[in-house]
Amino acid sequence: AQSVTQPDARVTVSEGASLQLRCKYSYSATPYLFWYVQYPRQGLQLLLKYYSGDPVVQGVNSFEAEFSKSNSSFHLQKASVHWSDSAVYFCALSISSGSWQLIFGSGTQLTVMP
Amino acid sequence: EAAVTQSPRNKVTVTGGNVTLSCRQTNSHNYMYWYRQDTGHGLRLIHYSYGAGNLQIGDVPDGYKATRTTQEDFFLLLELASPSQTSLYFCASSDEGEKYFGPGTRLTVL
Repeated sequence: AQSVTQPDARVTVSEGASLQLRCKYSYSATPYLFWYVQYPRQGLQLLLKYYSGDPVVQGVNSFEAEFSKSNSSFHLQKASVHWSDSAVYFCALSISSGSWQLIFGSGTQLTVMP
Repeated sequence: EAAVTQSPRNKVTVTGGNVTLSCRQTNSHNYMYWYRQDTGHGLRLIHYSYGAGNLQIGDVPDGYKATRTTQEDFFLLLELASPSQTSLYFCASSDEGEKYFGPGTRLTVL
């Protein structure tokens, strides 16, 4: 069965530091992959998506992610975080371009210390 | 800009109560979804629909019914609410991979 694992429930970094949030997926073929962000008391917003092609995808707010088929990973990165990046980040995959059902990871709570 | 609204934003009911959560999208999207969000589980799909009158079962459908009355409106029904259904519920719409989420409804079942 398909699954998404985010091994770090909580990550704390200092403002200005670099960031990597980890995501591993389980699926035999190449899935469609997404990162969403959830700010307090809000719904989820799309940060970036990977369908095919260049394994490094750029997203909003200077986030990027790198797809690795060999490692079954789709890690999210940012060169320099800001306090406003504090939020919960979800990795998700879809195996269908029809219904676009998403399978979500359990999320990573990011706290950026000023 | 794509928009998904949900009502109510907060709801408290008692065990055995009858609850309806409403979702409306103004995106003209075909697909609409209901998710629940619980700590440690991320979001889990309850039901989804690809058009008015259509309903598809998601991953955690037990105890929930849903109805898509129009292209815009998708309802989630809990006819005999239980404490295990205390959760944060999100509605979403999409036509391609990107989903647009509503702000959520926090439901508490006492």
